[in-house]
Amino acid sequence: AQSVTQPDIHITVSEGASLELRCNYSYGATPYLFWYVQSPGQGLQLLLKYFSGDTLVQGIKGFEAEFKRSQSSFNLRKPSVHWSDAAEYFCAVGARGGDYKLSFGAGTTVTVRA
Amino acid sequence: GAGVSQSPSNKVTEKGKDVELRCDPISGHTALYWYRQSLGQGLEFLIYFQGNSAPDKSGLPSDRFSAERTGGSVSTLTIQRTQQEDSAVYLCASSFASGPSTDTQYFGPGTRLTVL
Repeated sequence: AQSVTQPDIHITVSEGASLELRCNYSYGATPYLFWYVQSPGQGLQLLLKYFSGDTLVQGIKGFEAEFKRSQSSFNLRKPSVHWSDAAEYFCAVGARGGDYKLSFGAGTTVTVRA
Repeated sequence: GAGVSQSPSNKVTEKGKDVELRCDPISGHTALYWYRQSLGQGLEFLIYFQGNSAPDKSGLPSDRFSAERTGGSVSTLTIQRTQQEDSAVYLCASSFASGPSTDTQYFGPGTRLTVL
């Protein structure tokens, strides 16, 4: 079965600074990988997803993520954060051929200071 | 267009009572999913519907949990004889087809369940 680890529970970043959120997965083959964001009182919104092809994936809101097979990682980055990026971020993995069942990490809470 | 809606948004109940949580998926979405988000935990898969049938109920934590979907649309998650460990946010998602390889799962805002 697949699993996801998000090593950072909480990250604080200054507005305008860069942001990187770490995600490591465990899966025997090439997985489907996702990043979701959850703002307070809101449902999860898909930021980006990786299925195959180019390992650098562009998403909404200026986010990007890079799939590194050798490191089993799918880290999320943003060059310059805005106060509205304060939220909880979840990495998820789906298995090929049974991929309706997403496995999520525990999440990383991002605080943006002025 | 309208997104996934869930009701109630908050539910406080006493231990031992039954609760029903409702999910209205996006119109036309054939796949529907329930997840549970406990404090400090990631999302835990509970059950998946394709149309009205549930091919995978493997995530339901006990036989106190059940879910149904009628008319290929609305789904109800029922928890009988609630326990304090059932306290969590219950999230529903839907997608046009099954599997995120073919379509994105769209999530509702969740129902926060508190069992006293």
